[in-house]
Amino acid sequence: DAKTTQPPSMDCAEGRAANLPCNHSTISGNEYVYWYRQIHSQGPQYIIHGLKNNETNEMASLIITEDRKSSTLILPHATLRDTAVYYCIVSRNTGNQFYFGTGTSLTVIP
Amino acid sequence: KAGVTQTPRYLIKTRGQQVTLSCSPISGHRSVSWYQQTPGQGLQFLFEYFSETQRNKGNFPGRFSGRQFSNSRSEMNVSTLELGDSALYLCASSWRGGGDYGYTFGSGTRLTVV
Repeated sequence: DAKTTQPPSMDCAEGRAANLPCNHSTISGNEYVYWYRQIHSQGPQYIIHGLKNNETNEMASLIITEDRKSSTLILPHATLRDTAVYYCIVSRNTGNQFYFGTGTSLTVIP
Repeated sequence: KAGVTQTPRYLIKTRGQQVTLSCSPISGHRSVSWYQQTPGQGLQFLFEYFSETQRNKGNFPGRFSGRQFSNSRSEMNVSTLELGDSALYLCASSWRGGGDYGYTFGSGTRLTVV
């Protein structure tokens, strides 16, 4: 599975959009981009995933570049409860374990 | 619907003992994966079971083993516990492994080895 690179930490003002980048330059054509987040000592929570098209759900938007070598997770209106570690993972759709990197620790500031 | 249930939530064991952790996946999910999370190593994949067969295995010693039952419930066993086995053990389930919504994680079992 492809490796991902994320900034170790980011801050975001409450109410503003949080944009979390992820580089996955060695991604294969059949690999999806998944985003999870982990709030302190809880299990990781699924946020969103995509293959090549941009995706949006009630939690976030996922923007994938045309060459698929990077993506951005957007939390449109960050709240204090969005403070967490965010993991970007690339993996084939089925039959593969997820390799979690170190993620990005997002702190939402009041 | 009920989520992924892990029991027990907390466990304290003595070095040299063995421990068994349990995971009940979401109803209908056939894939169960186990992860170990420590402050130093982060989230590391242990193994995955699908339809009672181990399908993938991470880079952990043989002291770590698991199994899956016909109802998809899974157990993980660690024998001859070492201090370094202290960690949060997470279980994740999915319909077929990864897939359309990735994995759903449980809240984990916090194991402390003294």
